[in-house]
Amino acid sequence: TQLLEQSPQFLSIQEGENLTVYCNSSSVFSSLQWYRQEPGEGPVLLVTVVTGGEVKKLKRLTFQFGDARKDSSLHITAAQPGDTGLYLCAGALSAGNMLTFGGGTRLMVKP
Amino acid sequence: EAGVVQSPRYKIIEKKQPVAFWCNPISGHNTLYWYRQNLGQGPELLIRYENEEAVDDSQLPKDRFSAERLKGVDSTLKIQPAELGDSAVYLCASSTSGSRQETQYFGPGTRLLVL
Repeated sequence: TQLLEQSPQFLSIQEGENLTVYCNSSSVFSSLQWYRQEPGEGPVLLVTVVTGGEVKKLKRLTFQFGDARKDSSLHITAAQPGDTGLYLCAGALSAGNMLTFGGGTRLMVKP
Repeated sequence: EAGVVQSPRYKIIEKKQPVAFWCNPISGHNTLYWYRQNLGQGPELLIRYENEEAVDDSQLPKDRFSAERLKGVDSTLKIQPAELGDSAVYLCASSTSGSRQETQYFGPGTRLLVL
């Protein structure tokens, strides 16, 4: 069992649709990050959330950190083919920068 | 500014052979990480360096894996001998320090296939 469970594992949608991916844990995190990884590349940081209940927006992406800092969600509005990729959440349990990654959600947006 | 550089990008070897991966972090980054990413999964930390000191290697299979970061800059990860289950992408990342919320910048990874 992974410390961070992501759902769904796979998601295939049409361009223009909205979607939400989830990152859940029974542990409390001091911070949580979302990354996007494209084939043949390393993960690229999208956002870091640190406060329970925090909401951050990055253009069409909205990130939310749960009030109890155990879960997070990523919502994409009007998905585009360029959003295709592997979305990873990663949490830091303590003040150090040791990240634990979830298993990822593989998103495909079809034109 | 150049990103994290890794080489080789791809490596195919037979089981029981040795293999080494090289990482050059972003200039000025004191903290360096090696991760392993199995197919369809998220990265798992193998070892973390603060300058030349390995500060967390609890997940490194020490019977066959070794790493070094001489002079606190470049790093090498070695597997000897390789096993079929070692097939994965090996990612290197760096950050300015190991403190919370410091952004980790990842290299493109080395994709290893053990036959």
